[in-house]
Amino acid sequence: KAGVTQTPRYLIKTRGQQVTLSCSPISGHRSVSWYQQTPGQGLQFLFEYFSETQRNKGNFPGRFSGRQFSNSRSEMNVSTLELGDSALYLCASSLSGMNTEAFFGQGTRLTVV
Amino acid sequence: QQQVKQSPQSLIVQKGGISIINCAYENTAFDYFPWYQQFPGKGPALLIAIRPDVSEKKEGRFTISFNKSAKQFSLHIMDSQPGDSATYFCAAGYSGGGADGLTFGKGTHLIIQP
Repeated sequence: KAGVTQTPRYLIKTRGQQVTLSCSPISGHRSVSWYQQTPGQGLQFLFEYFSETQRNKGNFPGRFSGRQFSNSRSEMNVSTLELGDSALYLCASSLSGMNTEAFFGQGTRLTVV
Repeated sequence: QQQVKQSPQSLIVQKGGISIINCAYENTAFDYFPWYQQFPGKGPALLIAIRPDVSEKKEGRFTISFNKSAKQFSLHIMDSQPGDSATYFCAAGYSGGGADGLTFGKGTHLIIQP
């Protein structure tokens, strides 16, 4: 059974640009959640999607958005990138939500210069 | 504000010893408490999880102890091995419908010395 796949693994972007990250969940999982991981703030919840609907959103500005497709694959978009957006972005999939076992991908390392 | 406080920040244990990591939470509505293990360059991997209807859960060398009245839970790694060297995160969340995501502790960098 394939795990959670995130692409790309590494990204370097310039301030002001936008970026799109992709996450393919484990087959059969309908929930995809996104997290930002930084040395200072640790793991912080961005948002969760279930059956193409955003169920909840963490305390991040509107520059951070996402969507989920009918095959449960999810994308996360960050617009007008800032230096502080440099982080490891992780997605996690689970059968029905974060209240159940969640499996993380390896993450996308975003560097904003 | 929902918080999960984790300690210690770093921990060095001799091979064969017991590693103990503690977490405390504030929101009494939390009812799902997982622990994650993360190696450098990898995403967190679910290690073990507990719900508040039990006080202890054991899986192999890993044990979660849960104290509902104190709002604390801890991870014990018995017979710690060098391969256990990693960063460990505790987390708390809600079971039942809906999801606010998991609230994570800041992590504990564990080093097992051979």
